[in-house]
Amino acid sequence: DAKTTQPPSMDCAEGRAANLPCNHSTISGNEYVYWYRQIHSQGPQYIIHGLKNNETNEMASLIITEDRKSSTLILPHATLRDTAVYYCILSNFGNEKLTFGTGTRLTIIP
Amino acid sequence: DGGITQSPKYLFRKEGQNVTLSCEQNLNHDAMYWYRQDPGQGLRLIYYSQIVNDFQKGDIAEGYSVSREKKESFPLTVTSAQKNPTAFYLCASKGLGGYNEQFFGPGTRLTVL
Repeated sequence: DAKTTQPPSMDCAEGRAANLPCNHSTISGNEYVYWYRQIHSQGPQYIIHGLKNNETNEMASLIITEDRKSSTLILPHATLRDTAVYYCILSNFGNEKLTFGTGTRLTIIP
Repeated sequence: DGGITQSPKYLFRKEGQNVTLSCEQNLNHDAMYWYRQDPGQGLRLIYYSQIVNDFQKGDIAEGYSVSREKKESFPLTVTSAQKNPTAFYLCASKGLGGYNEQFFGPGTRLTVL
């Protein structure tokens, strides 16, 4: 699977939108972009995934650039409970494995 | 409620002892996974299983062993051959094929003294 690059840390004010970037310039045509998050000392939680279209669910929105070389996870109204490490991961459809990097540590500031 | 349970949450062992970590799921998932996480690092895959009585090595399988006798259970044994066993261990499961949405348990923090 191709690699991703994320900033090691970010801050966001409570109530504002948190925009977490991810670069994946070597992504292949059949690789999906997945986002997971891990609150301290807990297991990771799936957030969202997408291939080339923008996606939205009850947790977040995923914006993928037209060339698919980067994406942004958007938490529209960040709360203190959104403080976590966010992982951007690439995976083929049907691939049974995930490869986690070190992610972005997002801190929501009151 | 459907989910994944791992027990115990904290585990202490003396160096040189084997220890088995429990992972149970009632999600009717075919695939199960074991990951290891060290402080400040991402998760690394130890073993995974896509079907009962079959499993594959992940990226860091040395010093670990697993079994998959039942669909619901995937215990991990940390053997004395594992040089640095102190870590946070996470179990996950997913339905076979399709999208890679894995469901994780709460983890077991193993400390070897």
